[in-house]
Amino acid sequence: DAKTTQPNSMESNEEEPVHLPCNHSTISGTDYIHWYRQLPSQGPEYVIHGLTSNVNNRMASLAIAEDRKSSTLILHRATLRDAAVYYCILRGSGGSNYKLTFGKGTLLTVNP
Amino acid sequence: EPEVTQTPSHQVTQMGQEVILRCVPISNHLYFYWYRQILGQKVEFLVSFYNNEISEKSEIFDDQFSVERPDGSNFTLKIRSTKLEDSAMYFCASIQGALNYGYTFGSGTRLTVV
Repeated sequence: DAKTTQPNSMESNEEEPVHLPCNHSTISGTDYIHWYRQLPSQGPEYVIHGLTSNVNNRMASLAIAEDRKSSTLILHRATLRDAAVYYCILRGSGGSNYKLTFGKGTLLTVNP
Repeated sequence: EPEVTQTPSHQVTQMGQEVILRCVPISNHLYFYWYRQILGQKVEFLVSFYNNEISEKSEIFDDQFSVERPDGSNFTLKIRSTKLEDSAMYFCASIQGALNYGYTFGSGTRLTVV
C-alpha cells in the first residue's frame, strides 16, 4: 500500500484556519487521496477525498499539489468539535486496493 | 444523512464464547467492510465483502472469523471462540461504489473479552 506521512500532532486556536499537511511521494496515478477523522470514542468519519483537482465540501477543503506528492486538508474555521485524529489515506482504484489502510494520523488539538 | 448502524454498542463475553456483531449498512451501498481498533492502536482492516462474498481479508481474519449478509440488509461479523486479544472496537463500514466515493463508518461495537 502507498504510504502517507503526517505530523503526529498539531495545535490550533478556535475560529482560526487549520492546514493539515500530508506527504505521499509514492502515490500512483490512480490513487485517490482520502481524509477521515476520528473523534474520541467514535468511528472514523469521512471528511473529503480527491484525485487531482482541489475539492471543497461543507466540512473542509482539500488542496492537492500539482505533482500529487502532497496534499493539505484545510479547516476554514476550527471549532472545539474539530479536535480529533485526522487520517490522510491513499486509496487505490483496483481490486484489493479498495480497502483503507490507516496510519497514526495527526492529532489536532483546538484551543478555546 | 444516512448512517451505518451497529449493534450492540458494547458487548462483554467470556473467553471461548461465540459473539456476533451486527451492522446495517446504508441501503444502496454495495461494498462492506469490518475494521477493528485495539485500544490506543491504529484502525486495522479485517475483511471486505462484495456481491455476497469476501473480496479480501487480512491476516487477522483467520478461521475464527466469518462474515455474512444473511438478508440483504444486515452484515454480521462472527467470532467463533473469542480470545482476550480480540478485545477491541469493531467498526463496520460501507461504500456506494468502487471508486469515487467516501466510506461511511458505524459508531462501533466495543467488545470486551474476559
